[in-house]
Amino acid sequence: EDQVTQSPEALRLQEGESSSLNCSYTVSGLRGLFWYRQDPGKGPEFLFTLYSAGEEKEKERLKATLTKKESFLHITAPKPEDSATYLCAVPWPGYALNFGKGTSLLVTP
Amino acid sequence: ETGVTQTPRHLVMGMTNKKSLKCEQHLGHNAMYWYKQSAKKPLELMFVYNFKEQTENNSVPSRFSPECPNSSHLFLHLHTLQPEDSALYLCASSPGRGGGRNNEQFFGPGTRLTVL
Repeated sequence: EDQVTQSPEALRLQEGESSSLNCSYTVSGLRGLFWYRQDPGKGPEFLFTLYSAGEEKEKERLKATLTKKESFLHITAPKPEDSATYLCAVPWPGYALNFGKGTSLLVTP
Repeated sequence: ETGVTQTPRHLVMGMTNKKSLKCEQHLGHNAMYWYKQSAKKPLELMFVYNFKEQTENNSVPSRFSPECPNSSHLFLHLHTLQPEDSALYLCASSPGRGGGRNNEQFFGPGTRLTVL
């Protein structure tokens, strides 16, 4: 059973066209939800950690929010350099992170 | 060097070869990880080490053998691999365990492995 589900799988936006990516999770006792950005052929780059429902964090054109069942990554006025795969993850018991399959974002000029 | 480094960045090997992947972290972290990333699949955890001790082995075939001589270095020894083992192998580190910031993992650039 998937604990982390991301949607959509792929998203194509025009430059400047704002949108949101979704990450839903089923774990209980959430000990953090993590967002990463991954460029092709590279390792994931850490973006945010959210700890509790209602929390928000921002970085440039990205804003992450958290509810009790899901997290959203809002992208405001995206640019082509925002094109990447965005991954979310929640901790397993212990050390590891359980990653979703990711949303592949393409922003065209 | 800063962050997490991995060598080599690309590796092509035959099924009878023996090779090793190297990872080094410069973040003062206590936990280190190996992940496998195949096309169209989520990141798959392979091994976890904390303070040099292996804490998780996610049912990985014995042809993959990890080694962690200290908290800063992690190796993945490869032998008699199969073509389906071709993937991007990622190393990560985190402060430790316990949730929250202790789980914030920082990744290296990965090794693109091709098994012929």
